[in-house]
Amino acid sequence: QVQLVQSGAEVKKPGASVKVSCQAFGYTFINYDIYWVRQATGQGLEWMGWMNPNSGNTGYAQKFQGRLTMTMNTSMSTAYMELSSLRSEDTAVYHCARELANWGRRYFDLWGRGTLVTVSS
Amino acid sequence: DIQMTQSPSSLSASVGDRVTISCRASQRISSHLNWYQQKPGKAPKLLIYAASNLESGVPSRVSGSGSGTDFTLTITSLQPEDFATYFCQQSFNAPWTFGQGTKVEIK
Repeated sequence: QVQLVQSGAEVKKPGASVKVSCQAFGYTFINYDIYWVRQATGQGLEWMGWMNPNSGNTGYAQKFQGRLTMTMNTSMSTAYMELSSLRSEDTAVYHCARELANWGRRYFDLWGRGTLVTVSS
Repeated sequence: DIQMTQSPSSLSASVGDRVTISCRASQRISSHLNWYQQKPGKAPKLLIYAASNLESGVPSRVSGSGSGTDFTLTITSLQPEDFATYFCQQSFNAPWTFGQGTKVEIK
């Protein structure tokens, strides 16, 4: 079954780092970019960045520059999102999503269920 | 960044109703607009891509229209499984941005 399976919920203290995983099943991992999107309670969705599993290239939203690192393990078809220097405002559900790009159209055709990250002292 | 504004933020409807959700972009985005459905605790699901293209497996009572700055998601004859939150997303200019979402509740 084609799916993205994310790691479980995390509770972190302010200033700590969190690393969330996203494992791909049912398709060739390196053929599609992986994006990370987060959603705080009661807020809209926020694009964080992307990674190309084939090249290893990444792109991060300016807001997260210096705090966000996206990596991968292609042998395990897994993408990772690490956010450092956590603050309470980072409390959110973090989703990974697969981007499909063809004929000039780009959209997320597959999403993970999300990982709740709670930042609290 | 392109701002995406959805309206309404929530609505109440009955099974069988026709529902329309609007999404407006802060600048022209051609037809680079996608719609998703999200239910609590579940992964978001793609409904419509490139403004009007129905994703495979999505029922034909769901449709999308619009171009430029104004877009619409329509669900004819609302079904129990359609009660969820819907959000739009532009893929014209990075960073991709999303609408705030529209929650469709049972009346």
